[in-house]
Amino acid sequence: QQPVQSPQAVILREGEDAVINCSSSKALYSVHWYRQKHGEAPVFLMILLKGGEQKGHEKISASFNEKKQQSSLYLTASQLSYSGTYFCGTEIATGSARQLTFGSGTQLTVLP
Amino acid sequence: EPEVTQTPSHQVTQMGQEVILRCVPISNHLYFYWYRQILGQKVEFLVSFYNNEISEKSEIFDDQFSVERPDGSNFTLKIRSTKLEDSAMYFCASSEVGQTLVTNEKLFFGSGTQLSVL
Repeated sequence: QQPVQSPQAVILREGEDAVINCSSSKALYSVHWYRQKHGEAPVFLMILLKGGEQKGHEKISASFNEKKQQSSLYLTASQLSYSGTYFCGTEIATGSARQLTFGSGTQLTVLP
Repeated sequence: EPEVTQTPSHQVTQMGQEVILRCVPISNHLYFYWYRQILGQKVEFLVSFYNNEISEKSEIFDDQFSVERPDGSNFTLKIRSTKLEDSAMYFCASSEVGQTLVTNEKLFFGSGTQLSVL
């Protein structure tokens, strides 16, 4: 039930845009996005709960499709500080305590 | 901002030895977790803990693993007899509110303990 992330890696120049996708074969309860810089702990970016939801701040935003099986993270006008590995974490409605299942990650490198 | 604290930052041990990884979750948080990340791979769920008992655990969390909240502040992960494949970065995390379907809270991760089993 691990979500599928794509692409595995992306390299872009400062100021360019990127999209990272996360998909599941089953409808999800929620999708979480985290960013991890090398040697550091994952840092929370946002949670999406509702089908059709879009949220974000400044130049990092995310969407959750109507069927709640796919989420995309949008990074616009990327900055050097955006470099890192982006993980989506998904929850399936199990009726029990949370168990986030993370995707394999997308390595994002922003070059000057 | 409050943070999750993990000690030690690095732990080297011999295969077959017991290790205890320590975590101090954020003080008003109620749910605690251990995740691990093998070098270059994804973050994997190990166990969640609430109200002094395990809520969920993954297949990775076998009989060699145990968790404990020995006092009001610490949360520990014990690996009884370490194997080479236990080498990984172990992250502790906590969240403020319940991890049920009613609420949804982000996880705060600690900086991790790099465990190397030789």
